[in-house]
Amino acid sequence: QSVLTQAPSASGTPGQRVTISCSGRISNIGNNYVCWYQQLPGTAPKVLIYSNDQRPSGVPDRFSGSKSGTSASLAISGLRSEDEADYYCSTWDNSLSGWVFGGGTKLTVL
Amino acid sequence: EVQLVESGGGLVQPGRSLRLSCAASGFSFEDYAMHWVRQAPGKGLEWVSAITWNSGKMVYADSVKGRFTISRDNAKKSVYLQMNSLRADDTAFYYCAKDMIRWLESWGGIDYWGQGALVTVSS
Repeated sequence: QSVLTQAPSASGTPGQRVTISCSGRISNIGNNYVCWYQQLPGTAPKVLIYSNDQRPSGVPDRFSGSKSGTSASLAISGLRSEDEADYYCSTWDNSLSGWVFGGGTKLTVL
Repeated sequence: EVQLVESGGGLVQPGRSLRLSCAASGFSFEDYAMHWVRQAPGKGLEWVSAITWNSGKMVYADSVKGRFTISRDNAKKSVYLQMNSLRADDTAFYYCAKDMIRWLESWGGIDYWGQGALVTVSS
């Protein structure tokens, strides 16, 4: 199982706001920055958020990230059908001396 | 435009070796750390290894430590993954990925990914 814990699935209707959570430990999320990635079906992942809450250019402001203690969250507002994808959190782990990923959350737009 | 193109994947028998290559373009390759991340079919992402801009530091996931070796050639704008003693559970798509910074620090992270190369370990 993954070092970072994510719910395996989430869902929402168009226009709704959904939140995807990522839970870790002091050694990873608690002391390091978090990134979020979106993976559309059959494609490579794409960065949505880095440094907990920063959006790369080109990523819509519908996507936002936050971190509190040993947990992080990705919020998607104004949900669209094209947001249906797998979402992964990631961070550095001081104990493992390497990067770790969450198990991924499959978002379904109903 | 940043492009990362993996090559060298294929079918290999358990216990054998394989070397993946990744050709980079569209950015100053020598200025950034690079990663390998894998994804077994239908499964989640697993970070494998990373290397700093100057090859001064290499780090590995416990699952591949002692079997895989990452390296880079800045003159050729390429990063490599030498995989030895391959096992069935190494079967996955292997993604080459670019970090946002030179070093392996938590304020970095992956910002670009290649399309992946499939490695299948089977007899």
